[in-house]
Amino acid sequence: NAGVTQTPKFQVLKTGQSMTLQCAQDMNHNSMYWYRQDPGMGLRLIYYSASEGTTDKGEVPNGYNVSRLNKREFSLRLESAAPSQTSVYFCASSEGVLAGTQETQYFGPGTRLLVL
Amino acid sequence: KQEVTQIPAALSVPEGENLVLNCSFTDSAIYNLQWFRQDPGKGLTSLLLIQSSQREQTSGRLNASLDKSSGRSTLYIAASQPGDSATYLCAVSWTNAGKSTFGDGTTLTVKP
Repeated sequence: NAGVTQTPKFQVLKTGQSMTLQCAQDMNHNSMYWYRQDPGMGLRLIYYSASEGTTDKGEVPNGYNVSRLNKREFSLRLESAAPSQTSVYFCASSEGVLAGTQETQYFGPGTRLLVL
Repeated sequence: KQEVTQIPAALSVPEGENLVLNCSFTDSAIYNLQWFRQDPGKGLTSLLLIQSSQREQTSGRLNASLDKSSGRSTLYIAASQPGDSATYLCAVSWTNAGKSTFGDGTTLTVKP
């Protein structure tokens, strides 16, 4: 049981390049989330998926797109990277709304992204 | 705007001390509140989750309390150890839709 896994662990991009961050969970959770964490700050929600087939914007969605590929996988895409998107990106999952209650969120190890 | 605040940003204590970390939120109509631990360069580990209907949760040396009327939660750590050194984050959900708002965290250093 690997929990929540993220790839890659570290990435350097040039301004304007695109990339996709991958996230997968093996806990049969319904809900999945993407957060970013900037130095000395808490996490800010980018997008979330309450259940397979649905996605919604969080607090800071501009410049990002997401795909809930199936129940296990939730990807985050940067179409044209900007230096302001330099951050650590965390994926999380929880049993979610369909379970009737909002349970504990489980986090992946993070992807460190540097945009030059 | 619904906000979560954690003060102080950093705290240093000698080993063995009991300590309290604070979390304040602006809207008392919360769904749940969760405390996390984050080690440097690592992801977040859930410590305790308190549902809106609960007043406290305990796990080992950790006790989290919730006072919705005052918009506050505290995380009590008993008999602190150097291994407790980490950043502690508080996250509040105001609906059951899964969206959480995080505080900026308190970085705790426990000195041997």
